[in-house]
Amino acid sequence: GAGVSQTPSNKVTEKGKYVELRCDPISGHTALYWYRQSLGQGPEFLIYFQGTGAADDSGLPNDRFFAVRPEGSVSTLKIQRTERGDSAVYLCASSPGHSPYNEQFFGPGTRLTVL
Amino acid sequence: TQLLEQSPQFLSIQEGENLTVYCNSSSVFSSLQWYRQEPGEGPVLLVTVVTGGEVKKLKRLTFQFGDARKDSSLHITAAQPGDTGLYLCARWSGGYQKVTFGTGTKLQVIP
Repeated sequence: GAGVSQTPSNKVTEKGKYVELRCDPISGHTALYWYRQSLGQGPEFLIYFQGTGAADDSGLPNDRFFAVRPEGSVSTLKIQRTERGDSAVYLCASSPGHSPYNEQFFGPGTRLTVL
Repeated sequence: TQLLEQSPQFLSIQEGENLTVYCNSSSVFSSLQWYRQEPGEGPVLLVTVVTGGEVKKLKRLTFQFGDARKDSSLHITAAQPGDTGLYLCARWSGGYQKVTFGTGTKLQVIP
């Protein structure tokens, strides 16, 4: 079956612009996660959804970052007034449920470059 | 802030050699996972360990969870070029809190 997909695969934008990153999880997975990964580092947790609601958004760095999952499936990560420091690979993962006994399946990521 | 330290940060070895990478935390965690990530892809789960002192084997990979539940190791026997990648540990804190990933070990196996 289809895995987690993310679009676009690459996004180049200018400082101050608004961007949206999309994640299509595996069908039926109730938990969805967003992470940010800098080159050579481990992923950094941003937010996770259980169904339509954000169960934990404590990893969002500031109020320029926002994510939604209105129908409990597709999720969009939104970044306002982008800064050069936002450049990173943004990873999405989905899971049948939120626990270490449920595997998180990751997408290939969206590479965001802010000029 | 990365709360899980991995060592070494980089490792380049010849095919056929053995290696061990480490994951250490200053606090106890309820469970720990190991992932491997290849360039341009997301991490892929290798194993989950939940019991202190637990040892799991996956072909040539041996994973160990420390007795005190604050550290873990991954040992690879007879490394192959296909083992090349970024190895990440990730912990789950008590109460199934969010996953925290380690700093990563970048492994290169030279044919």
